[in-house]
Amino acid sequence: LAKTTQPISMDSYEGQEVNITCSHNNIATNDYITWYQQFPSQGPRFIIQGYKTKVTNEVASLFIPADRKSSTLSLPRVSLSDTAVYYCLVGALIKAAGNKLTFGGGTRVLVKP
Amino acid sequence: GAVVSQHPSWVICKSGTSVKIECRSLDFQATTMFWYRQFPKQSLMLMATSNEGSKATYEQGVEKDKFLINHASLTLSTLTVTSAHPEDSSFYICSARDAGGYTDTQYFGPGTRLTVL
Repeated sequence: LAKTTQPISMDSYEGQEVNITCSHNNIATNDYITWYQQFPSQGPRFIIQGYKTKVTNEVASLFIPADRKSSTLSLPRVSLSDTAVYYCLVGALIKAAGNKLTFGGGTRVLVKP
Repeated sequence: GAVVSQHPSWVICKSGTSVKIECRSLDFQATTMFWYRQFPKQSLMLMATSNEGSKATYEQGVEKDKFLINHASLTLSTLTVTSAHPEDSSFYICSARDAGGYTDTQYFGPGTRLTVL
């Protein structure tokens, strides 16, 4: 399983863009990258998923360089409600028995007024 | 879409009793569900993989006789904490893998807070 490394915490202010970079140096060819958001006492919520280049949805963008050894989650114009822990996970792209996710420490993002 | 529910959302029990937690995929079928445990200020730790119609696969260090898992249908998995003790107090979270579709994405339930007195 590819191990991921993220900053422990980040502070930001309302309206700013937050970029969280995750390192996954030993990512395998068939691995993809998924980001989850977790609020206190809630289950993780799927944010975005990608394999290479750039993926964008209504809440975030995911940038993955050509070597795929890292990825950056970009949250545009954050608000106080974006204060949460963000997890970067690497896992097999195709469904198969034995696939499982390993959570790292996550990044605790605090958005200040 | 891809909604997973858990019941109960919180439970308080006496030491020595057993507690059952349900995990349901509401709008998709899940041949595989996963159970995680999370202690305060820590990350999620995978406890076991629950496969519909077969025995669960437990992670190293997780007692299978203490944490009984049953996955009787494509939409329901249950975790029973037997003879619970205060050290079992934790936040239990399930996730479900969509049986349809091509990619392997897990969707998480809201979690169950277990407090053992």
